[in-house]
Amino acid sequence: EAQVTQNPRYLITVTGKKLTVTCSQNMNHEYMSWYRQDPGLGLRQIYYSMNVEVTDKGDVPEGYKVSRKEKRNFPLILESPSPNQTSLYFCASSLRVSSYEQYFGPGTRLTVT
Amino acid sequence: AQKVTQAQTEISVVEKEDVTLDCVYETRDTTYYLFWYKQPPSGELVFLIRRNSFDEQNEISGRYSWNFQKSTSSFNFTITASQVVDSAVYFCALSRDDKIIFGKGTRLHILP
Repeated sequence: EAQVTQNPRYLITVTGKKLTVTCSQNMNHEYMSWYRQDPGLGLRQIYYSMNVEVTDKGDVPEGYKVSRKEKRNFPLILESPSPNQTSLYFCASSLRVSSYEQYFGPGTRLTVT
Repeated sequence: AQKVTQAQTEISVVEKEDVTLDCVYETRDTTYYLFWYKQPPSGELVFLIRRNSFDEQNEISGRYSWNFQKSTSSFNFTITASQVVDSAVYFCALSRDDKIIFGKGTRLHILP
């Protein structure tokens, strides 16, 4: 089954404790992206990747890191999480570039206390 | 700069009524793509439609239709004969090849 998976689905952590949210797709898609969803703000792009070893900042990259060492995986890293990073996070992939339909993961709800 | 505005934060209609969700975008690009996505109460994001900037034909898919007008930079979404299952948050989005910008979404309540 074609899908985007994210882990964990729910995470409660404390300020400053490094964490990684994994994202994996099995569709051989070139483009992958991370978004955060906050009430009243819609979806905002954090980082995106056009292909392996090619990543770039979206609109809200501060406090996040990503890597794309393999085509299927695109982990989101929070080196020192803060409470303002409490949010719902979505990973997505598309065949090539962002102008194709995106397939979204189920979301990761992160709470930083 | 690119921008997507969904001015309707929340809409409530009675089942079987028609409803239109507005989307206005800003871009200086001549080549761009517009999307609508649906987020039902279960939380997943579901692709509905993609339209490129050179194709202004309106699209109909069952009870759903989309009206793309470059002259007014709008890409509106109409649900005909709405049903309770249409209750969701709907997002309009604009992309070039790399970045994608989403609107803030319109929460649609279909009342039985």
